[in-house]
Amino acid sequence: AQSVAQPEDQVNVAEGNPLTVKCTYSVSGNPYLFWYVQYPNRGLQFLLKYITGDNLVKGSYGFEAEFNKSQTSFHLKKPSALVSDSALYFCAVRDVAGGGNKLTFGTGTQLKVEL
Amino acid sequence: NAGVTQTPKFQVLKTGQSMTLQCAQDMNHEYMSWYRQDPGMGLRLIHYSVGAGITDQGEVPNGYNVSRSTTEDFPLRLLSAAPSQTSVYFCASRERTGLAQETQYFGPGTRLLVL
Repeated sequence: AQSVAQPEDQVNVAEGNPLTVKCTYSVSGNPYLFWYVQYPNRGLQFLLKYITGDNLVKGSYGFEAEFNKSQTSFHLKKPSALVSDSALYFCAVRDVAGGGNKLTFGTGTQLKVEL
Repeated sequence: NAGVTQTPKFQVLKTGQSMTLQCAQDMNHEYMSWYRQDPGMGLRLIHYSVGAGITDQGEVPNGYNVSRSTTEDFPLRLLSAAPSQTSVYFCASRERTGLAQETQYFGPGTRLLVL
């Protein structure tokens, strides 16, 4: 079975500071990993994905994430946070070998960026 | 392209009533899915479809039916609404083949309240 954990319900960051939103996963095979963002009263929007290749993945709006196989993590990062980054962030995983077509989401982390 | 569209945006039902949540996409995506979003639980997969005429159950299928008569449409039916089905429902679609398939596109959501 595949699963995702986002250990922090909320992350607070000052504007201009670096931010990290944590994600760990569990799969039986090789993972496909994703980050999605949800703004208030909106659907989810794709940010970035790791399929294969370079462990550091760059995505939309200056976000990046690093795939760490030994720690089974895929933390989302941004060097300098903006107030407009405040949103709900979801990590998701697909176990290519064991999970078929299904995408499993974490419970979400609320990011709050303050002036 | 309109992307993924959902109707209605908001609905109030009484316990025992039935209704259909509509979802349509104009990207010719073969894979479509329905999720429900509840506080602290992230997104949970209700049903999904890998193409017209093919549907399968996700994590939480009880109380819901789906059909896929065309590539474009994937309606979700609540047979007899219960308060436990109060939630925000998201429809999503993606391509079935190739690495581009891994990006899911979400609709804006339907907020359902069952009294």
